[in-house]
Amino acid sequence: NAGVTQTPKFQVLKTGQSMTLQCAQDMNHNSMYWYRQDPGMGLRLIYYSASEGTTDKGEVPNGYNVSRLNKREFSLRLESAAPSQTSVYFCASSSRDRIDGYTFGSGTRLTVV
Amino acid sequence: QKEVEQDPGPLSVPEGAIVSLNCTYSNSAFQYFMWYRQYSRKGPELLMYTYSSGNKEDGRFTAQVDKSSKYISLFIRDSQPSDSATYLCAMSEGNRDDKIIFGKGTRLHILP
Repeated sequence: NAGVTQTPKFQVLKTGQSMTLQCAQDMNHNSMYWYRQDPGMGLRLIYYSASEGTTDKGEVPNGYNVSRLNKREFSLRLESAAPSQTSVYFCASSSRDRIDGYTFGSGTRLTVV
Repeated sequence: QKEVEQDPGPLSVPEGAIVSLNCTYSNSAFQYFMWYRQYSRKGPELLMYTYSSGNKEDGRFTAQVDKSSKYISLFIRDSQPSDSATYLCAMSEGNRDDKIIFGKGTRLHILP
């Protein structure tokens, strides 16, 4: 009963490096989301995927790309990391009608130096 | 005016006290109201889920929605140190493809 699994849990990058954050859910959910959480800013939506094969921008998409690989997996890529992307990243998933809200992963703590 | 407003705290109360957490919102189309609890270094987890106005009780937790005032509350009775966490309110219109809008969260400390 894993729910939403995120990897890695921690990462330190140098400015300009790239990396991909992985997310997988085993609840047969249609919709998946990537958020970042910063002190005083709350959760901010980066990208979301309403269903397999579709992705859309959220509130803060600049500097990020996403791939909905299949129904289970939704990855977030930083092509050229910047210190402003230092944050905690959460992946979440939901059924199409969101009757049970969102289920979140445990997060990835990313530091860009 | 932000869509969802929530006092960030921190709120410190003694063990056993009744805790009241609140959010206000501006979008009268919101129909679904949620409270998430987030422990330090963990992801948010759904605590309570209510539809439209009224109260919902689950153990020591009561969620209250007043749509006429655009105001929602979470009450915690007999608060415990294990209730220390950040509490995020959240809400949505309930349309097929809309998204849940989150408050910024209130940090709660229960003092033993």
